[in-house]
This record gives sequence, structure tokens and C-alpha cells, in this order.
Amino acid sequence: AQSVTQLDSQVPVFEEAPVELRCNYSSSVSVYLFWYVQYPNQGLQLLLKYLSGSTLVKGINGFEAEFNKSQTSFHLRKPSVHISDTAEYFCAVSDAGGSNYKLTFGKGTLLTVNP
Amino acid sequence: EAEVAQSPRYKITEKSQAVAFWCDPISGHATLYWYRQILGQGPELLVQFQDESVVDDSQLPKDRFSAERLKGVDSTLKIQPAELGDSAMYLCASSLVLGQGGDTQYFGPGTRLTVL
Repeated sequence: AQSVTQLDSQVPVFEEAPVELRCNYSSSVSVYLFWYVQYPNQGLQLLLKYLSGSTLVKGINGFEAEFNKSQTSFHLRKPSVHISDTAEYFCAVSDAGGSNYKLTFGKGTLLTVNP
Repeated sequence: EAEVAQSPRYKITEKSQAVAFWCDPISGHATLYWYRQILGQGPELLVQFQDESVVDDSQLPKDRFSAERLKGVDSTLKIQPAELGDSAMYLCASSLVLGQGGDTQYFGPGTRLTVL
């Protein structure tokens, strides 16, 4: 079984400041990793995903994440945030060698960007 | 850009009543997922279809929940009878092909259910 831990439930930052949202996972097999964003009363939108290859993954809206296998982490970063980045962010994992690639999500991190 | 459609967006019902949610995935997407998202939590998979067949319904409370995708296109999730603990956001997602590891799941806007 897999699990995802998002270490911070809420992260408040000021506009134009850098931000890091932390994600750790647990799995006995190889995994694929994802970050999704959810704006209020909306569905989830994919920010980026790691399948293989380079451990630094770039996504939409200036976000990037780094896969660290030894630390079982996949932290999300942005060098300068905007008010519009205020949203809930979810880290998710799926089994890379399984049969249905079911996503297991963390509990989410609420990013609040203040002016 | 193609999107996953869901209806209704909001549903208020009384406990013991029946409710149904509808999802229309992105055209051509073979795989369809239903998730439940309780307030303050991440989504949890309820059921996964490959075309019209169920791939995984291990987390679906089958005594009261049912899901179908009869023609392998749109899908309906039903709850009968609804209980207070069913209040949540119900999200539908679709992806192109099962078996493509890491295939992106595209989410609809969700149906927010409130059971009184």
C-alpha cells in the first residue's frame, strides 16, 4: 500500500516570495508522482508529474518539483508567487508497476498568498 | 479545450433519499474514475472503469453506492439511501488509456453533496 504525507496543512506567504510545499511518500515499489492544484469549488488540475528521467520536473504556472528517491520526497517549489496562486495543492502517488495506476492523494496544503 | 462535465454542481438532499450524479468524460478517454473528497481531505478513489468494465471498486460502499458506465462513455454514480456522512465533493476524472503508466487524469468540477 502507498501513502502520501503533506507536512504542512497551511502555508501563508507574501506575494513575490518563494514557496516550498513539502510532500513525502511511502511505497514498497517504484512510483509515479504528481502535484495537482484545486481552486475553490473546482476540480483538480495537474501542475506536473514525475514518471522517470530527470529528477527536476517543471510544470505549469512556474512551478517545479524535485524527486528525491533516497528521502522519498517530491517537494513543490515556486521562486515567486502571485495572489492567483492561492489554492489547495495535492501531492499524489501511483504504483509504476501496477495494473490500474490508482492515485493516492495526500491531505492537501492550503497555500495563501497575501499582498 | 475538452473538459470533463459533471452535473449537478450542487445537490442538497435529506438522509434516506436517493441521489444520482452524472459524468461525461473527455471524448475518447477510455478510463473513468469517481472520487470522493471530504472537506479538508484529499480525494479518495471510489470506482474506476476501463470502458464499461469496473477495474477497481474496492473502496465503494456497495451496500448503498452503485456506479455504471453502460456504453463506455458517460457514467452515473448513485447513492441510496444517503447518509449524513456522505456529505462531500464527488469528483469525476478521465484519462486516455489504462495501462499507460502516469497517464494524466483530468478532473471535472465536481458535485458538492450536502445531506441533511
